[in-house]
Amino acid sequence: AQKITQTQPGMFVQEKEAVTLDCTYDTSDPSYGLFWYKQPSSGEMIFLIYQGSYDQQNATEGRYSLNFQKARKSANLVISASQLGDSAMYFCAMREGNSGNTPLVFGKGTRLSVIA
Amino acid sequence: ETGVTQTPRHLVMGMTNKKSLKCEQHLGHNAMYWYKQSAKKPLELMFVYNFKEQTENNSVPSRFSPECPNSSHLFLHLHTLQPEDSALYLCASSQHGKTNGYTFGSGTRLTVV
Repeated sequence: AQKITQTQPGMFVQEKEAVTLDCTYDTSDPSYGLFWYKQPSSGEMIFLIYQGSYDQQNATEGRYSLNFQKARKSANLVISASQLGDSAMYFCAMREGNSGNTPLVFGKGTRLSVIA
Repeated sequence: ETGVTQTPRHLVMGMTNKKSLKCEQHLGHNAMYWYKQSAKKPLELMFVYNFKEQTENNSVPSRFSPECPNSSHLFLHLHTLQPEDSALYLCASSQHGKTNGYTFGSGTRLTVV
């Protein structure tokens, strides 16, 4: 079974608007971490934001925020005030456990296109 | 500059060739990873090295052979590849206990002809 599901292969958003990229996950481990990465056409994977399973508040990093709904096992990424440079692939990932020893598992990604 | 450097950026090789991909990090991380990224598929974990010891081999064919001579360098040796091995190969590093995930390199775009 897939551990990370991203149901939106592609999304379009108007410049300066907000957009939500969906991510659901599956784990029975009470301790886990959720990550979002951005991959521009250059190929490099850029870390955006992290949410721990025990974190009480939703993570925020600048224009990025994570809408963490633990009961629903969802960790949607919200990008506010979209910019043309936000056009890229976005990957949701999860690491189970809290030792940092387990590898990240990635979803299939969502391609975001920002329109001027 | 991401802190993780991969060379070469692009590689075209024949099915009978032998080549190596190189990954280098000077972030002081103690774990390094190889991932394969094919079109329309999730990133596939290939190998994990913790403190220079291989701790995971995700059923990768033997035509891919990793080497980790020290905690800063990771290689992926390639031989007798197939066209379906064409993909972006990403190297990453991390520090155990840290919550900031991985630092990735820019990847090597491999084409097997």
